Amino acid sequence: DAGITQSPRHKVTETGTPVTLRCHQTENHRYMYWYRQDPGHGLRLIHYSYGVKDTDKGEVSDGYSVSRSKTEDFLLTLESATSSQTSVYFCAISDGERTNEKLFFGSGTQLSVL
Amino acid sequence: RKEVEQDPGPFNVPEGATVAFNCTYSNSASQSFFWYRQDCRKEPKLLMSVYSSGNEDGRFTAQLNRASQYISLLIRDSKLSDSATYLCVVNSDAGNMLTFGGGTRLMVKP
Repeated sequence: DAGITQSPRHKVTETGTPVTLRCHQTENHRYMYWYRQDPGHGLRLIHYSYGVKDTDKGEVSDGYSVSRSKTEDFLLTLESATSSQTSVYFCAISDGERTNEKLFFGSGTQLSVL
Repeated sequence: RKEVEQDPGPFNVPEGATVAFNCTYSNSASQSFFWYRQDCRKEPKLLMSVYSSGNEDGRFTAQLNRASQYISLLIRDSKLSDSATYLCVVNSDAGNMLTFGGGTRLMVKP
């Protein structure tokens, strides 16, 4: 299995608080992604990174920011969490040179915003 | 129309049955196609890539029909352990990113 670790695995927080989710990889892959998965919507891309300090928006980026200061770490921040951001968040990496290569996922973070 | 559409199911089949899922996509210029498997409360895992010539891996066969813009997954001799949600994945219009279908749930029963 690809070396991807997400933390925390579960998080309960209150509306309006900041939350940071961490994704750590040991594969030295260039591309890293953050997805959210909700019933009826499938997996949707939030942000992705194509290198250190190189990031771009995905389909549902509003309310989220990311940072990648090292190859192995990709952080997702909810500046002020809302109930609509209750979801399962998956980090993924890919080993290709393009963004449409096959993905390997972390175990996910269940986030509940009350 | 969604970029990638799947019948959510569930497909309930007995052990040993053959079952097939289809997935339609809207972008005729798509070049990359995959099937992922996701168990309940787990992360998606790559099942197989789908090539123009088709792809077979044991009991699993994937086909691509560009003219009708769909991909299919055929599972022969279904096992209880095949019970999962199968996600269709296609590279999308915007930025060549991958777009996921909503998944098709398969339940294999004894």
